[in-house]
Amino acid sequence: DQQVKQNSPSLSVQEGRISILNCDYTNSMFDYFLWYKKYPAEGPTFLISISSIKDKNEDGRFTVFLNKSAKHLSLHIVPSQPGDSAVYFCAARITGGGNKLTFGTGTQLKVEL
Amino acid sequence: NAGVMQNPRHLVRRRGQEARLRCSPMKGHSHVYWYRQLPEEGLKFMVYLQKENIIDESGMPKERFSAEFPKEGPSILRIQQVVRGDSAAYFCASSPYKTGTEAFFGQGTRLTVV
Repeated sequence: DQQVKQNSPSLSVQEGRISILNCDYTNSMFDYFLWYKKYPAEGPTFLISISSIKDKNEDGRFTVFLNKSAKHLSLHIVPSQPGDSAVYFCAARITGGGNKLTFGTGTQLKVEL
Repeated sequence: NAGVMQNPRHLVRRRGQEARLRCSPMKGHSHVYWYRQLPEEGLKFMVYLQKENIIDESGMPKERFSAEFPKEGPSILRIQQVVRGDSAAYFCASSPYKTGTEAFFGQGTRLTVV
């Protein structure tokens, strides 16, 4: 039962353009969402998060949008840079569960010159 | 302030042997989480520990797997009588509190069972 889904295993974008990574979830108990970035042979690195009481959170080039009614969130990276090439994981948690996270399967982003 | 330290980075075990994976959380962090990533999959929660206590082990296989986080020393994930299906990357994460902050991940231990 995949409660957090990332339906695009890969995405290729040109440098300078916008990257949009999507994530859907099924569990309505999730109330906090996170995006992690992962390079090969390294652990995930926290990127940005959003609480379910908000619909947008922005941090520099990264913006996360949350549509609760659609149970959908997206990560926008603009402008995309070659160093952004990595696997991006969407994750969700329930308040009271600490950092017990449910992860999606990831999207491999490749930013081309 | 060193990050979350996991060792070894790579571990090879023959079927039937025991694997011990160690995780030293960031300084001041008393909450530790273990995750497993199978090939081509996302990370799956295994267990959540606080010093000397298992808080949530709902993701741990019922047999052969155990975890501890003693008062002194690193957290240990132990896999007894390993099988090929245990081959995966095992990640540890830590946080200072139960809520209000994100968890920081270590670089992982890649376990290969031959």
